[in-house]
Amino acid sequence: ETGVTQSPTHLIKTRGQQVTLRCSSQSGHNTVSWYQQALGQGPQFIFQYYREEENGRGNFPPRFSGLQFPNYSSELNVNALELDDSALYLCASSQPPWTEAFFGQGTRLTVV
Amino acid sequence: DQQVKQNSPSLSVQEGRISILNCDYTNSMFDYFLWYKKYPAEGPTFLISISSIKDKNEDGRFTVFLNKSAKHLSLHIVPSQPGDSAVYFCAAYTDKLIFGTGTRLQVFP
Repeated sequence: ETGVTQSPTHLIKTRGQQVTLRCSSQSGHNTVSWYQQALGQGPQFIFQYYREEENGRGNFPPRFSGLQFPNYSSELNVNALELDDSALYLCASSQPPWTEAFFGQGTRLTVV
Repeated sequence: DQQVKQNSPSLSVQEGRISILNCDYTNSMFDYFLWYKKYPAEGPTFLISISSIKDKNEDGRFTVFLNKSAKHLSLHIVPSQPGDSAVYFCAAYTDKLIFGTGTRLQVFP
């Protein structure tokens, strides 16, 4: 059984650029959720994808978007990067009833 | 507003003693709670959970207590070990996980 893997592990981008983060879900899981963890904070829910459809979204602007593929892997895209987007981005996979999620190691994004 | 609160940013405990991590929540509709542990450079790892139909759940050295009237839960680790040193997050599950800000536990010899 493979765990949740995220790529890349670290990334530095310039303000205004666009970024794509990737996540492979755990074997057998059909749901992927994305979280943003700023320094000193707990993870904040961005959105969730279930069977390739977005089925929940947190309080993040539309420049945060995502995709889920038929193999249940997922991408998080962020357009027009801002300095405050600097954070650890966590991907979690799960399956209904979604009460327990398994996290990847995260992607550390730095916007300069 | 913070719906799940961990008011102690850090806790230091001697090896072998009990560690008690606390968590408060504001929404009485929350009915499922989880604790996650996070080491540096790793993602959060599920530790233990509790449903609101229970007031206690045990798993080895870890016990979670839920006081619904006080909207409070706590995680007890007995005995504490140096390998338990990590950041602990309390979370409530609704249609998503709502995390607290975490408590950094340090277990010293």
